[in-house]
Parts: sequence; C-alpha cells; structure tokens
Amino acid sequence: SQTIHQWPATLVQPVGSPLSLECTVEGTSNPNLYWYRQAAGRGLQLLFYSVGIGQISSEVPQNLSASRPQDRQFILSSKKLLLSDSGFYLCAWSDLGAGANVLTFGAGSRLTVL
Amino acid sequence: GQNIDQPTEMTATEGAIVQINCTYQTSGFNGLFWYQQHAGEAPTFLSYNVLDGLEEKGRFSSFLSRSKGYSYLLLKELQMKDSASYLCAVQDSNYQLIWGAGTKLIIKP
Repeated sequence: SQTIHQWPATLVQPVGSPLSLECTVEGTSNPNLYWYRQAAGRGLQLLFYSVGIGQISSEVPQNLSASRPQDRQFILSSKKLLLSDSGFYLCAWSDLGAGANVLTFGAGSRLTVL
Repeated sequence: GQNIDQPTEMTATEGAIVQINCTYQTSGFNGLFWYQQHAGEAPTFLSYNVLDGLEEKGRFSSFLSRSKGYSYLLLKELQMKDSASYLCAVQDSNYQLIWGAGTKLIIKP
C-alpha cells in the first residue's frame, strides 16, 4: 500500500530564516506530487506540483521554491521566511493515470513565522 | 474566474441528516470531489462525481448536477466524529483542482 510522510509536523521560525519541508511517498512510482498551503478559513492554495523528477510547476509567485531530487521525494524551501508564510503546509500525491485525480495528503506541517 | 461556493458553517444534531451544498463556476469540468478534514489534520478523500446523479457510500452520499454547476454531500445518522470541515473541489479542463473554502460542520448531542 502507498504511504506519504511529511516532516516536520510543527515548526516555529524567525522572520528571515530558511525553511525546508520534506515529503516522501512509498509504494508507488512516478507519482504526481503537490505542495499546498492552507490559511485559516480559506481554501487550499496550490503552491507547486510536479509530474516527474526535476519537473516543477509553480502556481503562485512568492519566496518559496520546490525541488524533486528523487522520484518520490518533494521538498519545499525558502531562503528567507516572511511573516505571511505562516500557515499549514500539505504535501500530497496522486496517480493521474488512475483516472480521477484523487489526492492523498501527508499529515501536514504547521509553520509559524515570528 | 473560477469559483467554488459552499457555506462557511453548519450545525446539526447527532443522529440527524445534513446536506452540504457546493456550487461551482470553472473553466471546464472533469469531476467534483468531497474531502473531510478534521481540525488540525490533513484532508481525506470522501467521494468523486463525474456524471450526474447520486453516489452512495454508507452514511455518506454525493450528488452532482453538471448543468446547474451544483453538488451536495449528504450525511445521514450523524455521529459526533462527523464534526469536521468538508471541502468541495472541482477538477477543471487542465485536471487542476479548484478548492472551496470548506464548510465547518458542528454536531451537537
């Protein structure tokens, strides 16, 4: 069966510090991978998605970046965090070849920037 | 623009039935999803509709009318554990998901 791991679960970072959130998927190959951010009371905002190694599409221009160094690894980074980067970050995977683009989410990372 | 509308919050009684509505305007349509999200947790998939009609899964059912740009999620025999946010999402012509802000469902004993 497929599993998705995301870490860290919680972090508190000062403004201007770097960020690295990691996500790995097991039990599948060549998954579609996604990074979302969820602000309180708002819908999920797609940040990045990837259909393969080294293939990253950015949906929202901001100070975040993503990388996919391996087939089942997806990393969200920032060189200098802003206060507005606080939120709940979710990694997800899907297998579009299965028809419906059903997303399976990681447990999430709650980021507080002070 | 693309838009998904659903009520912000609903309250229902344990054991009752509740219907959560979702209306959408998107660039194309390739299916509608419902997800459940408990507070502080990740969303989990509930249902997928791509054709008009009702899909039933145990206590949960989801309905779609493509001509009206409308869906609802029906929860029967409500339990306290059903207290959660319910997210509606539409897959557009590019197979990208457009998300509603979610409906927070509060279940009272």
